Amino acid sequence: GAGVSQTPSNKVTEKGKYVELRCDPISGHTALYWYRQSLGQGPEFLIYFQGTGAADDSGLPNDRFFAVRPEGSVSTLKIQRTERGDSAVYLCASSAHRGTDTQYFGPGTRLTVL
Amino acid sequence: AQKITQTQPGMFVQEKEAVTLDCTYDTSDPSYGLFWYKQPSSGEMIFLIYQGSYDQQNATEGRYSLNFQKARKSANLVISASQLGDSAMYFCAMREGTSGTYKYIFGTGTRLKVLA
Repeated sequence: GAGVSQTPSNKVTEKGKYVELRCDPISGHTALYWYRQSLGQGPEFLIYFQGTGAADDSGLPNDRFFAVRPEGSVSTLKIQRTERGDSAVYLCASSAHRGTDTQYFGPGTRLTVL
Repeated sequence: AQKITQTQPGMFVQEKEAVTLDCTYDTSDPSYGLFWYKQPSSGEMIFLIYQGSYDQQNATEGRYSLNFQKARKSANLVISASQLGDSAMYFCAMREGTSGTYKYIFGTGTRLKVLA
């Protein structure tokens, strides 16, 4: 079956611009996570959705970052006024009905802010 | 304090040999899960193996096994009969508790190179 998909695979933008990153989870998975992976590091948690609601957004670094999941499936991570420090790989993961289920990751979106 | 520690930035292993990748963790929660993921150069995180804190036996999945030593708070990954395709970054991760956020906390990874 289809895994987690993320678009675009690569995004290059200029400092100060707005970007949207999309995640399409495994069909039927109710839990969705966003992580950010900087070069040479492990992924770091950003936000967790259970259904349509953000159950935990404690990992978002500041109010320039926002994510939505309006219909409980596809999620969009939105970054306003991008900064060079936002450059990283943004990973999305989904898990089945319970949060304790294993998370399956997508291929990531590599964001480069010039 | 680091919750997940992977002390080996890089490891080499000869093809067909076994290799152990180290992971120690720190938590006061009695209920937690431990995971290993493989990240090839393509970037995708591939789930390998899971160990629950209450599991009595070490987890195994094909050539992967998890050497779980609860008292020492270690969860080392053992890969048997290494293959060239095993060359990748390997991440250990922990999920604390059974309620709340279920977020994973990752270590900094170990880069494994399998030699022909």
